[in-house]
Amino acid sequence: KAGVTQTPRYLIKTRGQQVTLSCSPISGHRSVSWYQQTPGQGLQFLFEYFSETQRNKGNFPGRFSGRQFSNSRSEMNVSTLELGDSALYLCASSLANYNSPLHFGNGTRLTVT
Amino acid sequence: GESVGLHLPTLSVQEGDNSIINCAYSNSASDYFIWYKQESGKGPQFIIDIRSNMDKRQGQRVTVLLNKTVKHLSLQIAATQPGDSAVYFCAEITQGGSEKLVFGKGTKLTVNP
Repeated sequence: KAGVTQTPRYLIKTRGQQVTLSCSPISGHRSVSWYQQTPGQGLQFLFEYFSETQRNKGNFPGRFSGRQFSNSRSEMNVSTLELGDSALYLCASSLANYNSPLHFGNGTRLTVT
Repeated sequence: GESVGLHLPTLSVQEGDNSIINCAYSNSASDYFIWYKQESGKGPQFIIDIRSNMDKRQGQRVTVLLNKTVKHLSLQIAATQPGDSAVYFCAEITQGGSEKLVFGKGTKLTVNP
């Protein structure tokens, strides 16, 4: 079974631009979560989608948004990029049954210059 | 270069030794815990999980211990191998249908041949 796939793997953008990252979950997984990983803050939860609905949201500004499609694939968007948005963005999927583990992709490395 | 980041605890062991990685979790209401391994350039990889109604769970070469009284988790790796070198994170989740994981800061394990 294929794992979680994230595209692109690397991205370089300039301040003020916007960016869209894509995630394909493991087949059969209906929940998709997004995390930001930085050296300064570690792994931080962005949001989680289940059946095309955002179920939970972390403490990030409204510039960070996401969506999920009917096939469970998900995208996240960051508008008006800031230098501090440089990070590894990780997508994780799960069966969303009680206590089912999240499985992560290898992330998209975003660099904002 | 990258900005000053989290001070990761480090653990250095000799190949063949047993390793113990500790984690203090934050929420006494958390009822599901997961250990992840993250190698350089990759996303976190699921190792083992444990529910709050258990004290111990064993996998292949790994054992997780849960002490709810002091909110402490540990991951024991038997016969540590160079391929075990990575950053290890514990994560907790609170019952409620959310897939939001709260990650610890991580421990960097180095296995010396």
